[in-house]
Amino acid sequence: EAGVTQSPTHLIKTRGQQATLRCSPISGHTSVYWYQQALGLGLQFLLWYDEGEERNRGNFPPRFSGRQFPNYSSELNVNALELEDSALYLCASSLLGAKNIQYFGAGTRLSVL
Amino acid sequence: GQQVMQIPQYQHVQEGEDFTTYCNSSTTLSNIQWYKQRPGGHPVFLIQLVKSGEVKKQKRLTFQFGEAKKNSSLHITATQTTDVGTYFCAGDFGNEKLTFGTGTRLTIIP
Repeated sequence: EAGVTQSPTHLIKTRGQQATLRCSPISGHTSVYWYQQALGLGLQFLLWYDEGEERNRGNFPPRFSGRQFPNYSSELNVNALELEDSALYLCASSLLGAKNIQYFGAGTRLSVL
Repeated sequence: GQQVMQIPQYQHVQEGEDFTTYCNSSTTLSNIQWYKQRPGGHPVFLIQLVKSGEVKKQKRLTFQFGEAKKNSSLHITATQTTDVGTYFCAGDFGNEKLTFGTGTRLTIIP
């Protein structure tokens, strides 16, 4: 069974551009979570989607947005990129809600120059 | 706000020594989970604790959940080089998202 897959692995952008990151959850999982992990730091919760709806949002500006598609895959969009957006963006999936175990993808390393 | 504090931030131990990381919350948790992230890798689920005072063991790893469900610990006995990584606790406050601790980075001195 395939795990959580994320693409691209690496992404290099310049300040002011937009970035789109993609995530495919484990088959059968309906919840997708996005986290930001700056170098050497912990995981900061960004967004949670379940059944196509945004269920919860972390303390990030509106230029961080996303969506979940009918097949439960998800996109994270970051507009007007800033240097401090450089980080590893991790996607995780679970069966339902946060009470269940989260399975993480390998992440997308975003570098903003 | 709902936060999970984790200490220490870093721990360097000789191979064979024990290691412990602690998590504390200001409010009662619904449950707590522990994850391990190897260098260059992604977090991997280790265990979930739900009941007050619960203790679970996985080989050399012992996980505890406090009686008040506000604190938790992970203890590794006789560390090995394969234990290297960052250990995160993640608390569920019942608001349907996990709040991750800041993590404890474990390095092993051979």
